[in-house]
Amino acid sequence: AQSVAQPEDQVNVAEGNPLTVKCTYSVSGNPYLFWYVQYPNRGLQFLLKYITGDNLVKGSYGFEAEFNKSQTSFHLKKPSALVSDSALYFCAVRDGGDYKLSFGAGTTVTVRA
Amino acid sequence: EAQVTQNPRYLITVTGKKLTVTCSQNMNHEYMSWYRQDPGLGLRQIYYSMNVEVTDKGDVPEGYKVSRKEKRNFPLILESPSPNQTSLYFCASSKSRARSGANVLTFGAGSRLTVL
Repeated sequence: AQSVAQPEDQVNVAEGNPLTVKCTYSVSGNPYLFWYVQYPNRGLQFLLKYITGDNLVKGSYGFEAEFNKSQTSFHLKKPSALVSDSALYFCAVRDGGDYKLSFGAGTTVTVRA
Repeated sequence: EAQVTQNPRYLITVTGKKLTVTCSQNMNHEYMSWYRQDPGLGLRQIYYSMNVEVTDKGDVPEGYKVSRKEKRNFPLILESPSPNQTSLYFCASSKSRARSGANVLTFGAGSRLTVL
């Protein structure tokens, strides 16, 4: 069975500081990893994904994520956070070519001015 | 504009009164899915459909029904809603009939349902 853990319910950072949102996963095959973001009163939007290749993946809005196979992690990062990055972030995983996508519980990011 | 459209966006109903949440996508996607979002639980899959007339249960299908008579539409039916179905519901779709783990989901804006 596949699963995703986001150990932090909330992350608070000051604008201009680095932002990290943590995610760990468990799969039996090769992981396909995703980050989605949800702004207030909106649906989820795709940020980035890791399928294969370079462990550092770059996505939308200046976000990037690093795949670490030994630690089974896929942390989301942004070098300099903006107030507009305040949102709910979800990590998700698929086990190999399976269609089922499992989501973490979500992490609320608040960036203060 | 490529999108997934859900209706209604907000609904308050009473226990036992049948309701349908519609979902339509204009991207010619084969795969469609329904999720519910609850605080602390993230998104949990209710039902999904690989193509027309092909549907299957997700993690939390109890109390829900779906149908896929047309490629673009995937309605979620609550035959006899109960208060524990109060939640935020999302419809999503993606392309490709083939099993591809790389497919990205496009989500609707969500439907907030309250069952009294």
